[in-house]
Amino acid sequence: LAKTTQPISMDSYEGQEVNITCSHNNIATNDYITWYQQFPSQGPRFIIQGYKTKVTNEVASLFIPADRKSSTLSLPRVSLSDTAVYYCLGNTDKLIFGTGTRLQVFP
Amino acid sequence: EADIYQTPRYLVIGTGKKITLECSQTMGHDKMYWYQQDPGMELHLIHYSYGVNSTEKGDLSSESTVSRIRTEHFPLTLESARPSHTSQYLCASSESSREQFFGPGTRLTVL
Repeated sequence: LAKTTQPISMDSYEGQEVNITCSHNNIATNDYITWYQQFPSQGPRFIIQGYKTKVTNEVASLFIPADRKSSTLSLPRVSLSDTAVYYCLGNTDKLIFGTGTRLQVFP
Repeated sequence: EADIYQTPRYLVIGTGKKITLECSQTMGHDKMYWYQQDPGMELHLIHYSYGVNSTEKGDLSSESTVSRIRTEHFPLTLESARPSHTSQYLCASSESSREQFFGPGTRLTVL
């Protein structure tokens, strides 16, 4: 299974762009990279998924280099409501969540 | 809007009681999962299923058991609840390698 490593926490201010990088050195050839967001007392919510290069949706962008050993979630112009824990998953079989990155957005 | 439901949402129960946490989904997903999460801590996969009559243990050892008799239903049972079982239990489902949908969770307190 692909083990992922992310920063434990990050701080930002409203309106800034936030980039959270995740490393997944032993990701399998057929695995996608998926990011989730979790608010306190709620289940995680899907943000974005990609295999390689760049994926963009209405919430975020996901950048994956050619070697696929890492990925970067980009949140444009964060707001206070983006304060949450963000998880990256490097496997799509037995879905294992790591410790995630706790993002705190300040006014 | 994800159609995955968990009941009860909150449960306070005494030590030694048998409990079943219900999870149902109406999306026809083959894969279903149970996670355990303490406040502010990471999610731990305790059980998963790839389809009817298929169940596997996750990465975190758990005294609970699960069953998958119907595609839409994945209940979790604790034969004898203990205070160490106090936690939030989250159920999820997915189709193939696509996104998981999570239920609202059951917050269990064992006195």
